[in-house]
Amino acid sequence: GNSVTQMEGPVTLSEEAFLTINCTYTATGYPSLFWYVQYPGEGLQLLLKATKADDKGSNKGFEATYRKETTSFHLEKGSVQVSDSAVYFCALSAGANSKLTFGKGITLSVRP
Amino acid sequence: KAGVTQTPRYLIKTRGQQVTLSCSPISGHRSVSWYQQTPGQGLQFLFEYFSETQRNKGNFPGRFSGRQFSNSRSEMNVSTLELGDSALYLCASSFLVVGGAGDEQFFGPGTRLTVL
Repeated sequence: GNSVTQMEGPVTLSEEAFLTINCTYTATGYPSLFWYVQYPGEGLQLLLKATKADDKGSNKGFEATYRKETTSFHLEKGSVQVSDSAVYFCALSAGANSKLTFGKGITLSVRP
Repeated sequence: KAGVTQTPRYLIKTRGQQVTLSCSPISGHRSVSWYQQTPGQGLQFLFEYFSETQRNKGNFPGRFSGRQFSNSRSEMNVSTLELGDSALYLCASSFLVVGGAGDEQFFGPGTRLTVL
């Protein structure tokens, strides 16, 4: 079946540091890939997505590139802010349905 | 446009009881999915409804059920509650044009269920 593997957390960074959160996937066919973010006490918000190989999703300074050869969708940001502190989930959907398969999530804490 | 709304936001029940959670999707969205979020298991897919029909179902026991109404609003029901059912239950809606994959899902704030 489909699966998503995220790097272990939590991650603590200083403000303006570079962020990379690794995500790899296993899926049949050609999945769509997503990064969702969850702020404390809230539901999930879509951060960015990519629907085919070599697509780059970007939003709010975050980027991720769909790499089919390495089955990866790593999230990056050049300079994190305190307001980026949240839980980040990598996810995929595949086939003719909307079901999302999520990674375990990683908590990011950014210190001033 | 109003977002996905879920009611109630918090719920406390005791073992053996049943519970019904409600979800109102974004106007115009006809697909509604439900997910369970727990610290141990993370986010797990429960089921998806489209045009009042269950399109997809996750690996949960039959105690978990759902339905969708003609206005796309959805409810999920959990019968004979167990301690392990304590979780955040998230509802998501999407527009669903071309068959599912790639359609953005918009999540509600969730219902926090505590089973004592």
